[in-house]
Amino acid sequence: DVKVTQSSRYLVKRTGEKVFLECVQDMDHENMFWYRQDPGLGLRLIYFSYDVKMKEKGDIPEGYSVSREKKERFSLILESASTNQTSMYLCASGSSGSLYEQYFGPGTRLTVT
Amino acid sequence: KNEVEQSPQNLTAQEGEFITINCSYSVGISALHWLQQHPGGGIVSLFMLSSGKKKHGRLIATINIQEKHSSLHITASHPRDSAVYICAGFNFGNEKLTFGTGTRLTIIP
Repeated sequence: DVKVTQSSRYLVKRTGEKVFLECVQDMDHENMFWYRQDPGLGLRLIYFSYDVKMKEKGDIPEGYSVSREKKERFSLILESASTNQTSMYLCASGSSGSLYEQYFGPGTRLTVT
Repeated sequence: KNEVEQSPQNLTAQEGEFITINCSYSVGISALHWLQQHPGGGIVSLFMLSSGKKKHGRLIATINIQEKHSSLHITASHPRDSAVYICAGFNFGNEKLTFGTGTRLTIIP
């Protein structure tokens, strides 16, 4: 079974703090994704990576950056957290064969106060 | 207008009822992914389909390419089926996965 894990299930941070969300997958997948999920909006792609040290902007990259130093690990960074970044963050991974097949982690609910 | 539209947004039913959740999608999308999200957040893949019908236990997913419509059915629904069900359409042209806003299903014992 594919396993995608995220570093925290719940996180509370203050405005202006630097926030790191980590995602690890154990299936040797090339592709990894970061989404945020907000009520009424569905999942929206923030960034994705198709290889180590490679990254591509998704639909809403503003205010975020990412890092992929190892194949199994993809980090989402909020350089200076703001209240409008309060959301559920979901990581996913998939093989290089298709961007269509993605396996999701349990999610991190981030609250910025 | 979202490329993927789900209905209904919320659905409450009695245990044992037959459930249908609908997903309509726009031109360019040629494959559908049905996902389940339980309270707490984790998302599980149920089906991926680009034609016909797939069945797994009490879950059935169908897709009609001509009508650009997919349905997820649950037979003999049970309270443990209570979750948010999300459809996501994949556009092979731009390799983009677009998510619907989800259907919150509640099954009452």
